Amino acid sequence: EPEVTQTPSHQVTQMGQEVILRCVPISNHLYFYWYRQILGQKVEFLVSFYNNEISEKSEIFDDQFSVERPDGSNFTLKIRSTKLEDSAMYFCASTTDREDNQPQHFGDGTRLSIL
Amino acid sequence: LAKTTQPISMDSYEGQEVNITCSHNNIATNDYITWYQQFPSQGPRFIIQGYKTKVTNEVASLFIPADRKSSTLSLPRVSLSDTAVYYCLVATSGTYKYIFGTGTRLKVLA
Repeated sequence: EPEVTQTPSHQVTQMGQEVILRCVPISNHLYFYWYRQILGQKVEFLVSFYNNEISEKSEIFDDQFSVERPDGSNFTLKIRSTKLEDSAMYFCASTTDREDNQPQHFGDGTRLSIL
Repeated sequence: LAKTTQPISMDSYEGQEVNITCSHNNIATNDYITWYQQFPSQGPRFIIQGYKTKVTNEVASLFIPADRKSSTLSLPRVSLSDTAVYYCLVATSGTYKYIFGTGTRLKVLA
C-alpha cells in the first residue's frame, strides 16, 4: 500500500536556526497537509496546500512557517527561526480529493527538537 | 471556534466491544467524520469514515446521529494490539481547517 514518507525521522536544531522538514506524499494525491503534535497533546492542523498554494492555515501557522512543493514529489515545511516551543512531532498528510471526502493518509512524522 | 471533545481514556478487556464517542458541535455541513488510531511514535492511521447513520468496515463501525454533532466509533472484540490513542477528525464549518478530537487513550487489558 502506498505510504506518505517523511524525512528526517528526528531533527535536532539550535534555537533561532532554520529547519526544513520533508515529505513525499502518495503519488496521485493532490491535497497536502501539515500537522503538529506537541508531546502528550492532540494533533493540531497547521496548513493545507493545493495547486501550489495554501488553501487554509491555522493560527499556529504564522510568518515563521512556510510550505512549498519544489518539485513533483516533495512537500516541505520550513520554519525560519525556530523557537523552543516549536519542539513537536510534525506530520504530513495527503489525500486524493477533498471534495469527495477521501481520508487523509499520514506519514510517521518528524520529531523536531529545539535546543 | 470548533470544539471536538472525547473522553480522555478508557480501559477494556480483551474480547469486549468498545465504544468511543466524539462530540463535534460545529462540523462542516458537507464534511465527513473520520476516525484514526495512533500508536506511540507513529502517525495517525485511518480506521473508518462516514457522513451519517452507520458505516461498517472490517475493523470498526461508526454511528452518526441525524444532527451529526457527535459520532461513536465501535470496536468489536478488542485485543491487546488495539491499545492506542483514537482520534476523530472533522472540518470546521465553513472551512477546510481540520480539527482533531482531544483523543481517547484506550488500554486493553488481558
